[in-house]
Amino acid sequence: GQQVMQIPQYQHVQEGEDFTTYCNSSTTLSNIQWYKQRPGGHPVFLIQLVKSGEVKKQKRLTFQFGEAKKNSSLHITATQTTDVGTYFCAGYGNAGNMLTFGGGTRLMVKP
Amino acid sequence: DAGVTQSPTHLIKTRGQQVTLRCSPKSGHDTVSWYQQALGQGPQFIFQYYEEEERQRGNFPDRFSGHQFPNYSSELNVNALLLGDSALYLCASSMASGPNEKLFFGSGTQLSVL
Repeated sequence: GQQVMQIPQYQHVQEGEDFTTYCNSSTTLSNIQWYKQRPGGHPVFLIQLVKSGEVKKQKRLTFQFGEAKKNSSLHITATQTTDVGTYFCAGYGNAGNMLTFGGGTRLMVKP
Repeated sequence: DAGVTQSPTHLIKTRGQQVTLRCSPKSGHDTVSWYQQALGQGPQFIFQYYEEEERQRGNFPDRFSGHQFPNYSSELNVNALLLGDSALYLCASSMASGPNEKLFFGSGTQLSVL
């Protein structure tokens, strides 16, 4: 079945440093979504990418969808303590309505 | 406008027991998906309900079953609980169908099986 993998599993950064998490799918995705889960919280939708090679920005966050629609990345510029949490990518395959989540990257920011 | 609500918040059960978790979707949403999230892991898809039918199912045993009611609310039932069923159970709602729908999650039910 479809598998979605993320690296790294954990990342410690100093406040102000940049952060990137990478997402890879075993199959081609119809779209990729990103969610953020704060400690003790639930996943909250951040963004969706649909087109091959698409790039979207939200303030300091930049999201990319690969040309083959099998990989994606999230880059945060100049991290802040409010960025702390676990970032999940999730994708729909070309058949079915099942959104498959990656294992997440836990971001910790030292002030 | 209420978001996705789940009950109970926490639950402690013993092995072999049965449990029922409840979810009310966000207003205007008619599709409910259930996920299991073990500590430190990503959410794992259990199943999705739409029009009171199970539309798709993940890789979970038949001990996991569900139901959707005419008002779109949903229940997740787990029979013969195992220690490994201890996890955060998340309900997510969305507008009808489609693989481009974003999910709105509830705060989850933390299930501990002793």
